[in-house]
Amino acid sequence: GQQVMQIPQYQHVQEGEDFTTYCNSSTTLSNIQWYKQRPGGHPVFLIQLVKSGEVKKQKRLTFQFGEAKKNSSLHITATQTTDVGTYFCAASGGYQKVTFGIGTKLQVIP
Amino acid sequence: GAGVSQSPSNKVTEKGKDVELRCDPISGHTALYWYRQSLGQGLEFLIYFQGNSAPDKSGLPSDRFSAERTGGSVSTLTIQRTQQEDSAVYLCASSLLGGEGTDTQYFGPGTRLTVL
Repeated sequence: GQQVMQIPQYQHVQEGEDFTTYCNSSTTLSNIQWYKQRPGGHPVFLIQLVKSGEVKKQKRLTFQFGEAKKNSSLHITATQTTDVGTYFCAASGGYQKVTFGIGTKLQVIP
Repeated sequence: GAGVSQSPSNKVTEKGKDVELRCDPISGHTALYWYRQSLGQGLEFLIYFQGNSAPDKSGLPSDRFSAERTGGSVSTLTIQRTQQEDSAVYLCASSLLGGEGTDTQYFGPGTRLTVL
């Protein structure tokens, strides 16, 4: 399966500040997924990126897939307390096993 | 439709006992994963089933851990002679895995295992 590194592992931001988490791989990825896990909950799928250079938006969340398909980012604009949780990237190779990054735990200070 | 279900939701056991955790994936999903998540930590891959292929057991931490998937549907994760370090939330996920764009994993609510 693919190997992915995710940074940072932890991030504290003031409410209203922006937040970004990064996912990197040494190999070309077929596609990448992002999941959010609220405290006490289970991971929930957010989005999948497939195309080189792809950018997708969900309200205040912007997801990017690098041109080389080796990295991805999730950016949240003007964080809110509801954004608290752990954000995981997951690399997939089509029919191969999906591999999760270690996750970025976001804490939003009101 | 119904999502992924897991049972029990909580399990407290004594050190040295065996436990069985059950996962009912979404009907028709060919891929099934087991993960372990310790408090505040990331997802630790345990085992992966895909259709009729031999399972990928590369994540199982010791030979005390085993898993089966019967009839391509329900899966059972068995931990023998439990140890305190086995305490964690055990998550199951399934996906359709029919090709590009169908790898979304749907997670169950997890089983919280506590070994005393």
